[in-house]
Amino acid sequence: ELKVEQNPLFLSMQEGKNYTIYCNYSTTSDRLYWYRQDPGKSLESLFVLLSNGAVKQEGRLMASLDTKARLSTLHITAAVHDLSATYFCAVDSNTGNQFYFGTGTSLTVIP
Amino acid sequence: NAGVTQTPKFRVLKTGQSMTLLCAQDMNHEYMYWYRQDPGMGLRLIHYSVGEGTTAKGEVPDGYNVSRLKKQNFLLGLESAAPSQTSVYFCASSYFLREPQHFGDGTRLSIL
Repeated sequence: ELKVEQNPLFLSMQEGKNYTIYCNYSTTSDRLYWYRQDPGKSLESLFVLLSNGAVKQEGRLMASLDTKARLSTLHITAAVHDLSATYFCAVDSNTGNQFYFGTGTSLTVIP
Repeated sequence: NAGVTQTPKFRVLKTGQSMTLLCAQDMNHEYMYWYRQDPGMGLRLIHYSVGEGTTAKGEVPDGYNVSRLKKQNFLLGLESAAPSQTSVYFCASSYFLREPQHFGDGTRLSIL
């Protein structure tokens, strides 16, 4: 069974600050997904990272993948209140028929 | 632009009752998924389908059954509800395997 761990679980940060969310997974997978969930809402896809060394950026969010270390990071630059949400990473088995989500990181950006 | 639609949005059941959750997608997606979301545990895959008429077990399939008689619909059934099945249930779909999934708005289910 593949396990996915995120840290921190809760993050409170001030506007304008930078921070990184970490996602570790336990077995080999060459694809990693990041999703965002607003309170009481559905999940929205942010990034899919397809290979070792992949980096994707959109706005104040940048995601990277190191498949050798089994680690992905989601870096937040100059946080704004609108980024407050829960962020999930997820991996799938290399056959693609099983998906495993991390526990989520609840981010609160304080003005 | 309906996307993935789940019905109902909320439901309260008594232990032992049965019910069916409906997921409908209008994007002609081949792959459909049912997850449950519990506090502190992220989402866990219950069952999935790789096409009309096919279903398969995910990580936590016990106590649930599914059917995909039509490509656009994926049904999740609870034959005899238990309090441990209190959760938020999400349906998702994708056109290709191993691509980001499109999620519905969820069904909040409470079992007393």
